[in-house]
Amino acid sequence: GAVVSQHPSRVICKSGTSVKIECRSLDFQATTMFWYRQFPKKSLMLMATSNEGSKATYEQGVEKDKFLINHASLTLSTLTVTSAHPEDSSFYICSARALGHWDTEAFFGQGTRLTVV
Amino acid sequence: GENVEQHPSTLSVQEGDSAVIKCTYSDSASNYFPWYKQELGKRPQLIIDIRSNVGEKKDQRIAVTLNKTAKHFSLHITETQPEDSAVYFCAASIKSSASKIIFGSGTRLSIRP
Repeated sequence: GAVVSQHPSRVICKSGTSVKIECRSLDFQATTMFWYRQFPKKSLMLMATSNEGSKATYEQGVEKDKFLINHASLTLSTLTVTSAHPEDSSFYICSARALGHWDTEAFFGQGTRLTVV
Repeated sequence: GENVEQHPSTLSVQEGDSAVIKCTYSDSASNYFPWYKQELGKRPQLIIDIRSNVGEKKDQRIAVTLNKTAKHFSLHITETQPEDSAVYFCAASIKSSASKIIFGSGTRLSIRP
């Protein structure tokens, strides 16, 4: 299957700093990537849809100024957690679908475990 | 927006028995329904999916059924094995420019030896 690579896999940062997470589709182009947040033993909560060349679409309740998304190319989307606080500690995971394939498998990155101290 | 409900939240079955997980969705426009398996600390992996023009799909020990009228779909795992132990998520997606996938709350499946 297609490969989605997410980096870093783990990051620890100090409260008040910003953290950038990268999501890359390695062998296919994705106009759309999705960012999810997963709390321990909970489901994947969709945060936002990242659109190549345009603004991201955020789900209700997700602060766009807090979670900055950039999708500069067909293979790369980034999520920046700005001014991180301990409550932002979580597992963040991205997924992507191949260009034009709306009803096929979405491939997931390996996730990023963020710990804010 | 779409809302997907999943139950049970936990399920324990004897090895060799069958396991069934059920989901309902709210948006009748949803037309793609994947099931993902997630092992601890790992990324979700697709195990089977079904599109709205099909009522049932089977892949070896795994099958999925879809009832569009009732807006519910189910995952069936037969002859369960220890390696089936994991968290399973159902999901729904609507054909659109976004095609976002909304997940159910997950079912933690444990297989008793």
